[in-house]
Amino acid sequence: QKEVEQNSGPLSVPEGAIASLNCTYSDRGSQSFFWYRQYSGKSPELIMFIYSNGDKEDGRFTAQLNKASQYVSLLIRDSQPSDSATYLCAVNMKGNNRLAFGKGNQVVVIP
Amino acid sequence: GAGVSQSPSNKVTEKGKDVELRCDPISGHTALYWYRQSLGQGLEFLIYFQGNSAPDKSGLPSDRFSAERTGGSVSTLTIQRTQQEDSAVYLCASSLAPAGGGNTIYFGEGSWLTVV
Repeated sequence: QKEVEQNSGPLSVPEGAIASLNCTYSDRGSQSFFWYRQYSGKSPELIMFIYSNGDKEDGRFTAQLNKASQYVSLLIRDSQPSDSATYLCAVNMKGNNRLAFGKGNQVVVIP
Repeated sequence: GAGVSQSPSNKVTEKGKDVELRCDPISGHTALYWYRQSLGQGLEFLIYFQGNSAPDKSGLPSDRFSAERTGGSVSTLTIQRTQQEDSAVYLCASSLAPAGGGNTIYFGEGSWLTVV
């Protein structure tokens, strides 16, 4: 089983809709969780981090964490064309000083 | 500096040659990471430095890959006898303290390596 899995294919959403991205992780002891956005040809940039179960909101972004289900998600409300990018889920596992990344989910916002 | 700086930004090299990639982390960041991203793939961890020490080099794919960090700052990733499968973007990242404490890591713009 991969450390971090993002299985969905490219996601197309109309402008103004909600984009929902999911991520699962294998290590139950994982402690911190991050979402990065990566535009084509650019490096990843941090959008949000979450450490505790529940929801965390920052502007149009909401991260949701469920440690019992080993599941973290990202919601993008009122999607804009500028949100079109690949979104990478990253997890820091207990006792480990690196971040493990998923393969990413591509989001395309259609005007 | 204001952000993580990497050089060169692009490098085309012939198969069999050695290459050196440089990373200058954010000032004051003690933790430094190297990742690799092949076309259409996720980020593959290579090595982690805390200060000048590398407590985790588990991601280095072969003994052709090595890295060092000096003065708790600049790091160099060296690839010897490059192969075509080494073609990728090599991303350096740094954080104020190790990611194990929930610290955020910040990426440089990457060094795009093409081996022909």
